[in-house]
Amino acid sequence: DARVTQTPRHKVTEMGQEVTMRCQPILGHNTVFWYRQTMMQGLELLAYFRNRAPLDDSGMPKDRFSAEMPDATLATLKIQPSEPRDSAVYFCASGLDRGADTQYFGPGTRLTVL
Amino acid sequence: ELKVEQNPLFLSMQEGKNYTIYCNYSTTSDRLYWYRQDPGKSLESLFVLLSNGAVKQEGRLMASLDTKARLSTLHITAAVHDLSATYFCAVVNSNSGYALNFGKGTSLLVTP
Repeated sequence: DARVTQTPRHKVTEMGQEVTMRCQPILGHNTVFWYRQTMMQGLELLAYFRNRAPLDDSGMPKDRFSAEMPDATLATLKIQPSEPRDSAVYFCASGLDRGADTQYFGPGTRLTVL
Repeated sequence: ELKVEQNPLFLSMQEGKNYTIYCNYSTTSDRLYWYRQDPGKSLESLFVLLSNGAVKQEGRLMASLDTKARLSTLHITAAVHDLSATYFCAVVNSNSGYALNFGKGTSLLVTP
C-alpha cells in the first residue's frame, strides 16, 4: 500500500531556529505539493513541483521559506528563521498530472514555534 | 483568483437523515475533488470529478459536478456516526497546473 511519508510528525522549536521538513512521495508520482493548514487560513498551497522542477511557489514567503526536490524520492521544506506565525500543520501530497488521479496526502508535520 | 466556497461550514445532523453539502467555485476548472479529514488526521481522497454531469457514489456519499453552474454537491444518505468528519472540496485552477484550491471545509457531526 503506497503512501506519502513525512518526517518529523511533530516539531516544537523556538523562534529563530531553522526547521526542515521532509517528504517521500509515492514512487512514480511526478507531482509533489506542499500545503499548510491553519485554523484561520485553512489549507493553502505553498509550493508545487512537477518532475522535480518548481512550478509554483507563489504561496510561500520567499524570505524565510524554501522548497526543493534534490531527487525524485525526497522533497524538503525549510523555514529559516522560524516565527510563531509559522505554527501549522504542513502536508505534503503527491500525484500524477493526468487522468482521474487524485492527490495523495501524507500524515503531515505539526509545527509549533514558540 | 480562484475562490472556492462551501456551505454550510458546520452541520449537525441526526443519524438516518439526508443532507447535501454545496461547493461553488469562481472560475473554470476541469476537475474537482472531495476529501475527508478526521480530527488530527490527514486528508483522505473521496472523489475526483472530471466532467460536467459526473456523478460518483461510495457507500452513503454521492458527489456530482455541474461545470456550467460551477457547483458540486456532496449528498449524504441515511447518515451514520462514522461519517462525522470535515469534508473539503478542492478545485484545480486550469491555468496553473494541478495545485488544489480548497474550500474552508464543512464540519459534519452526526448524532444519535
